[in-house]
Amino acid sequence: EVQLVDSGGGLVQPGGSLRLSCAASGFTFINYALSWVRQAPGKGLEWVSSISGNGGNTFYADSVKGRFTISRDNSKNTLHLQMNGLRAEDTAVYYCAKLMTWLGSHDSWGQGTLVAVSS
Amino acid sequence: QSVLTQPPSVSGAPGQRVTISCTGSSSNIGAGYGVHWYQQLPGTAPKVLIYGNNNRPSGVPDRFSGSKSGTSASLAIIGLQAEDEADYYCQSYDSSLSGYVFGSGTKVTAL
Repeated sequence: EVQLVDSGGGLVQPGGSLRLSCAASGFTFINYALSWVRQAPGKGLEWVSSISGNGGNTFYADSVKGRFTISRDNSKNTLHLQMNGLRAEDTAVYYCAKLMTWLGSHDSWGQGTLVAVSS
Repeated sequence: QSVLTQPPSVSGAPGQRVTISCTGSSSNIGAGYGVHWYQQLPGTAPKVLIYGNNNRPSGVPDRFSGSKSGTSASLAIIGLQAEDEADYYCQSYDSSLSGYVFGSGTKVTAL
């Protein structure tokens, strides 16, 4: 059974940093691309970033480009999102999600971790 | 403002058919990228209902079906049940944005 467990969220001041993690199990980790998707309180889903299976390809939403960095450790089956220069509008639940295929659907999701940016 | 447009809400009596539209453009749905649909129950993570326009993962009831035409797609719930009350999102890929795009979301209510 595929399992994705998100962690690392918390309260941070504007301009601060946070590193999210997603521990994966139940599938051959290196074979699948992964994404981070966020959801602001009471709002819809917003794609944040994705990374290919070998980590060689990454891409970002314009709203986070230059501030967030996605990475993965295939030896530890773990996905990360380093978030710098956090803003109030980054407040959201962040989900990691497994891509069925590149450019395809997100077929498994973590439980989400809440990031709150406030002074 | 979402790249993919959905109606904010749809409702129907139990047993009725309801449909949710997802309108995109020539850089996403119209470019041939697949459309996928997710169901999000309150307080939970999204779950894929339909992938690749019209495919149901195992375990998803067959009352859910998807279709795509031109720059739009639709999700149909045939025989609405109370347990289907949730938020529904479409998703595709956009070549102009070089990223994945989600619809604005639709709240489904069983009257």
